[in-house]
Amino acid sequence: QVQLVESGGGLVQPGRSLRLSCAASGFTFSTYAMHWVRQFPGKGLQWVALISYDGANDYYADSVRGRFTISRDNSKNTLYLQMNSLRPDDTAVYYCARGHGGNYFACDLWGQGTLVTVSP
Amino acid sequence: EIVLMQSPGTLSLSPGERATLSCRASQSVSSSYLAWYQQRPGQAPRLLIYATSSRAAGIPDRFSGSGSGTDFTLTISRLEPEDFAVYYCQQFGSSLTFGGGTKVEIK
Repeated sequence: QVQLVESGGGLVQPGRSLRLSCAASGFTFSTYAMHWVRQFPGKGLQWVALISYDGANDYYADSVRGRFTISRDNSKNTLYLQMNSLRPDDTAVYYCARGHGGNYFACDLWGQGTLVTVSP
Repeated sequence: EIVLMQSPGTLSLSPGERATLSCRASQSVSSSYLAWYQQRPGQAPRLLIYATSSRAAGIPDRFSGSGSGTDFTLTISRLEPEDFAVYYCQQFGSSLTFGGGTKVEIK
């Protein structure tokens, strides 16, 4: 079935690193752009990063540029988010999401999310 | 960065009523790059509308989108019980941003 499943979230101390993974199944992963989007506790959505279908191009929100890296392994149908120098204000549920074909900025398939808590 | 302001913050309506949600951008947004999402409690967001007015797969035709430039609207023609949720607009210009959301609650 068509789905995205995130993993790798948890409790981490400020300044440390964490890597999130997103396993895709049921569709041709290598033909879709992919996003990470986060949701702060009880609040709205914030886009984090986007990677092109082939991994050649990536884009970041100002708040994470230089600290987070999005990548993908099309042979494993897996998306990643490497998060370094984590701060308490990075605490959020992190969703991976699929770009909607030619309108790749729109996210037409979402995972269930993984919670990242940054706290001493 | 383009800021999206959604109004009202909360909309209190009864099932069967019409809902009109507004999304106003701080700068002009290409109609190709404006989307709407629905998020029910405890669930991930779901794409409703992309390119201002195109419904995503499986979305009922009671949902419609319109607008241009800096003013965009999501309309739900007749609210069903499952439509009470939070709705977000999203744009892609120099960066990608979401609005703060409108909660549609049962009156």
